[in-house]
Amino acid sequence: GAGVSQSPRYKVAKRGQDVALRCDPISGHVSLFWYQQALGQGPEFLTYFQNEAQLDKSGLPSDRFFAERPEGSVSTLKIQRTQQEDSAVYLCASSLGLGTDTQYFGPGTRLTVL
Amino acid sequence: DAKTTQPPSMDCAEGRAANLPCNHSTISGNEYVYWYRQIHSQGPQYIIHGLKNNETNEMASLIITEDRKSSTLILPHATLRDTAVYYCIVRVGGYSTLTFGKGTMLLVSP
Repeated sequence: GAGVSQSPRYKVAKRGQDVALRCDPISGHVSLFWYQQALGQGPEFLTYFQNEAQLDKSGLPSDRFFAERPEGSVSTLKIQRTQQEDSAVYLCASSLGLGTDTQYFGPGTRLTVL
Repeated sequence: DAKTTQPPSMDCAEGRAANLPCNHSTISGNEYVYWYRQIHSQGPQYIIHGLKNNETNEMASLIITEDRKSSTLILPHATLRDTAVYYCIVRVGGYSTLTFGKGTMLLVSP
């Protein structure tokens, strides 16, 4: 069956540009997570949705980062006025239940800010 | 969440068992041990998890010591496709996020 998909797979942005990264979770999965992975590091939590409700955004590094999941399925992570330190792989994961189930990850979007 | 300690890298010959250790000496009673792996340029992939009993699935076995302060992930017959970074994570039951460390880079060689 279809797994978690993310688009685009690669994004190059000039410093100061806004970007939008999309995540399509596994159909029917209630929970959705965003993680950021810097080069050579493990993924770090950004934010968590349960259906359309954003229950935890404690990992978002600044107010330039914004995530939404308006209809409880597809999610978008938006980064405004990108900076070089935003360069990373952004991973999306979904799980069937209320967050404690196994998380299934997408392939990630590699963002490079020049 | 409790912290974990893993060796930064390990080598294994193809066809042999790979035994990946993890120390989690400050684990609490309600924290599970999870293992994920990440093959180059892919997202992390769930392998197995357990609370205190040993667990086995089609991918691997998880051995947790009786005091729960350490665990070992066993890949019984490693293949070249098992080359990846393996993450050991302790996760509070009922809490959502995964806290990844740097993991162990397992290199399986012919």
